[in-house]
Amino acid sequence: DAGITQSPRHKVTETGTPVTLRCHQTENHRYMYWYRQDPGHGLRLIHYSYGVKDTDKGEVSDGYSVSRSKTEDFLLTLESATSSQTSVYFCATSGTGNYEQYFGPGTRLTVT
Amino acid sequence: AQTVTQSQPEMSVQEAETVTLSCTYDTSESDYYLFWYKQPPSRQMILVIRQEAYKQQNATENRFSVNFQKAAKSFSLKISDSQLGDAAMYFCAYRSARGAGNNRKLIWGLGTSLAVNP
Repeated sequence: DAGITQSPRHKVTETGTPVTLRCHQTENHRYMYWYRQDPGHGLRLIHYSYGVKDTDKGEVSDGYSVSRSKTEDFLLTLESATSSQTSVYFCATSGTGNYEQYFGPGTRLTVT
Repeated sequence: AQTVTQSQPEMSVQEAETVTLSCTYDTSESDYYLFWYKQPPSRQMILVIRQEAYKQQNATENRFSVNFQKAAKSFSLKISDSQLGDAAMYFCAYRSARGAGNNRKLIWGLGTSLAVNP
């Protein structure tokens, strides 16, 4: 395992509130990713980071922002949560020499 | 754009038997990587096996092996001597070998749910 943790693991929040999910890695991997997983859609990339303070959008980035101030931490913020953002969120990392990605345990977010 | 298709939403196998999960992909690139990931009920995504497109030899990891047919753009996963712990969702994924930025992202299939019957 690549030593990836996510917090919180479960969260219930109300529509319109901001939410921040945290991903923390201990492998000194350069690349970090946020995905969401929904039935019928598989895993979809929200945002990714290719270094400290270097981030870019994925395929479903609307309504989400990210920040990476340290190599080990990658934060995902839902600026104003909506019910359509109810999902399981995964963080993943990969090193410069890696082809594969390693995943955190996931966060189940419910927006009511 | 690359796509990955897993045509079998659900499969089942008897314990100790062999099962093959299918994956096809579409790409115009010649150099890329392919992966199979396992997601058990715990939800953790676990890398099962990977294949580099430039390698003709099929990858093998213990009871897991792949049949990589580059011309046919097919990448199936064979699980031998199936165990109860193999029950999971299995995802096929593609990654371009071109290095930077958006090319590093994984393209995912929708998964195959595998049940193992005792």
